[in-house]
Formats: sequence, C-alpha cells, structure tokens
Amino acid sequence: NAGVMQNPRHLVRRRGQEARLRCSPMKGHSHVYWYRQLPEEGLKFMVYLQKENIIDESGMPKERFSAEFPKEGPSILRIQQVVRGDSAAYFCASSHRQGAANEKLFFGSGTQLSVL
Amino acid sequence: EDQVTQSPEALRLQEGESSSLNCSYTVSGLRGLFWYRQDPGKGPEFLFTLYSAGEEKEKERLKATLTKKESFLHITAPKPEDSATYLCAVQDRYGGATNKLIFGTGTLLAVQP
Repeated sequence: NAGVMQNPRHLVRRRGQEARLRCSPMKGHSHVYWYRQLPEEGLKFMVYLQKENIIDESGMPKERFSAEFPKEGPSILRIQQVVRGDSAAYFCASSHRQGAANEKLFFGSGTQLSVL
Repeated sequence: EDQVTQSPEALRLQEGESSSLNCSYTVSGLRGLFWYRQDPGKGPEFLFTLYSAGEEKEKERLKATLTKKESFLHITAPKPEDSATYLCAVQDRYGGATNKLIFGTGTLLAVQP
C-alpha cells in the first residue's frame, strides 16, 4: 500500500533550465496538492488539482510555474527558467475526497530543488 | 487573512520532561485544525484533527487540545524518538472548493536522553 510517491528526491538545475517534479498520489486518491517549503518558512499552498482539472491555483506564482494532473500518469509541477529563489523543498499531498471536513492530507517525502 | 503562529520556535527537553507546544490561529471560520509531525528530509506525517473548542485527542505520549483561539500539543514524558518538527495547520471553512491547509512555521523539538 504505497504512499504518495515523489520523484526525483533531489533535483539540481542551473539558472534558466526547466524543472519537472512528479507526484503519484496514494492509490484511490484523486485529489493532489502541491506545497512549497522555503528555508525558515512554513509550508505554503501552491495548487490543488483533480484529474484533468486545476481547482485552485491561488498560491502559484503567475509566471514560470504550471501544474497538471492528467487522466493517466502522475501529477507534474513544472518550473520554467528557474532562478535561485526557486530553491526549496516541494511537497505533494493527496486526499480521497474533496470538501469533507475531516479529509486529511497525506504527504510525500518531497523533492529538494537546488538552483545553481 | 488566515494565519497560524507557533511557539516556541525550538524546544529542548530532557527525556521524561513534559511540556506543551502552542499554536495560535486566526481564521474566518475553522473547519479543522491539524497537527503534523515532520522528520528531517521527510514529508509531514498526520497526527490529529480537531474541529471544535473543547475537543481533545490523544495518541501515545501526545495530547492535542483546542480553544477558540489556540491549540496545544502536550507531550508527556517524551522520549528521544519524539524529536521532530511539529507543524500546526488550519482549514478555513470559507476557503472555497479546496481543503488547503495554512501552516505555521513549526516547533523544532529535541529530546535528549
């Protein structure tokens, strides 16, 4: 019964390159959340997706960042033309149902992105 | 704006020395307050959900309580394996079509043998 799987665990990119972070939710979960954790800061919500739909992207930077959750395959967080300020730990979480008051999120182990 | 503040930022205890962590929150309408544990290099691991003032939940040496303005995580007779960062988060009842969590910055707990 695998949990939320993220890969890669560590990703190193040079400024200007693209970063692709992958997340496979827990079996049976169809809701995916992406969070970013900067050094000395709390986890910040970025985006909430269901299969083939972006439900809430209020936490996503307006430029260079995009996310998708296709019908088949993992959810992808894509960062174009990375800058040093993008260096952070990116966590994915999944849940079973949307809107339930007690629906806790299950988190993956994260991807640590380092921009040189 | 929804906000979560945790204190202290760091706490060092001797094994067996009980203490409490604080989480103060401001939210339009509380749907739920969550406690998570995070170990270095890992994602947050769910501990408790509290929904209304006066509610308490317990798990082994941990007990979480909730008032209208804050939550406490009480640690009784801690062991070194309780060392971790403890995160508090809230869900806003008026947060729209999402269950997004608003996190505090956490309390780093170190329990020395």
